[in-house]
Amino acid sequence: DGGITQSPKYLFRKEGQNVTLSCEQNLNHDAMYWYRQDPGQGLRLIYYSQIVNDFQKGDIAEGYSVSREKKESFPLTVTSAQKNPTAFYLCATHARTAPYEQYFGPGTRLTVT
Amino acid sequence: KNEVEQSPQNLTAQEGEFITINCSYSVGISALHWLQQHPGGGIVSLFMLSSGKKKHGRLIATINIQEKHSSLHITASHPRDSAVYICAGPLYGGSQGNLIFGKGTKLSVKP
Repeated sequence: DGGITQSPKYLFRKEGQNVTLSCEQNLNHDAMYWYRQDPGQGLRLIYYSQIVNDFQKGDIAEGYSVSREKKESFPLTVTSAQKNPTAFYLCATHARTAPYEQYFGPGTRLTVT
Repeated sequence: KNEVEQSPQNLTAQEGEFITINCSYSVGISALHWLQQHPGGGIVSLFMLSSGKKKHGRLIATINIQEKHSSLHITASHPRDSAVYICAGPLYGGSQGNLIFGKGTKLSVKP
């Protein structure tokens, strides 16, 4: 079955360490997105990529970095510069044609102490 | 002020009740998505609407473009409907995946 996988589901890190969250899709979708979810807030866009080797900053890109070397993969690195990294991170894609159905991965819950 | 507002924030219902969740937006959104987030965090897409009404099983979604308002209805609610329901939409001229999200409505259906 096609879908999006994110690993790991739970991740714990010490403050000051960089950490990379994995996102892989086998839906053959061009566009991939990273969102952050905090309690009581809507999802917010961190980075997105519409094609291999190209990506754009979203609303809250500071302290994060991404790469898109393969169509299937869009890893997100949370750097030590991110002031408040503890959050739930969701990777998403959407279908190429209308109605542009949204697909989400299961998410990674990152806790930094 | 959030550009996409949902109401209510929390909703508790008894099994079998008819449920309505509302979504109002103040920006130009080209389409509106209704999403369901389960307690484990996974999100699934329920509907995408740009006009009118859609129905899938016990779920009905409507949208009024002029009034910038959409509703999600659940008929004959069941405890398995307990989840967070989120509305979201892409801005006109923006990427289809660059969505503006509401904060979600947490629904709890009691047996």
